Amino acid sequence: GESVGLHLPTLSVQEGDNSIINCAYSNSASDYFIWYKQESGKGPQFIIDIRSNMDKRQGQRVTVLLNKTVKHLSLQIAATQPGDSAVYFCAENPSGTYKYIFGTGTRLKVLA
Amino acid sequence: EAEVAQSPRYKITEKSQAVAFWCDPISGHATLYWYRQILGQGPELLVQFQDESVVDDSQLPKDRFSAERLKGVDSTLKIQPAELGDSAMYLCASSAGGGLLGTGELFFGEGSRLTVL
Repeated sequence: GESVGLHLPTLSVQEGDNSIINCAYSNSASDYFIWYKQESGKGPQFIIDIRSNMDKRQGQRVTVLLNKTVKHLSLQIAATQPGDSAVYFCAENPSGTYKYIFGTGTRLKVLA
Repeated sequence: EAEVAQSPRYKITEKSQAVAFWCDPISGHATLYWYRQILGQGPELLVQFQDESVVDDSQLPKDRFSAERLKGVDSTLKIQPAELGDSAMYLCASSAGGGLLGTGELFFGEGSRLTVL
């Protein structure tokens, strides 16, 4: 299959280690954020979301942290597995709109 | 599990030809989006529908692109004539958001990969 994001920033981690993927968002009025995983040749897949009234939200093996002061979002993946290899995008939703603005993405490579 | 359906998955066409993509959102989702994703970049919004109405098409190249959602359910995105620079993944997404308060998860289809020769 073809690759998504040939020139994206890349994070390489050992299998079993924790991964941290960062995202700086642009609009201080954004109040809803989503992390997506995109595998080669496929559409983005929802991972986890967070609203601006929270600073942390946990899912299964994933945690999203939100720092509104510096407009920063991070995705933490615990015990990274080979199946986690993909491109990860954050998306922000400015308050009062149905517009979702995507970041440039980070490629995660899991090393065996 | 409900999903966003798109077709075709792959389309190869010559420049100056017409091409069309179809999307069927998750049942009951009022908001439908068409995004374009160029290799190595994040998705960029082309057009957004609320039911059958266009609410944002500011980034849609209207000289060659058109989109419709006549009955507020499925949607078609057309390019005529196609240009080399239109080669990209065309993603459809839908959301249940339908009012001024709050948004929700945005669900994507698998995309339509266009190659213009």
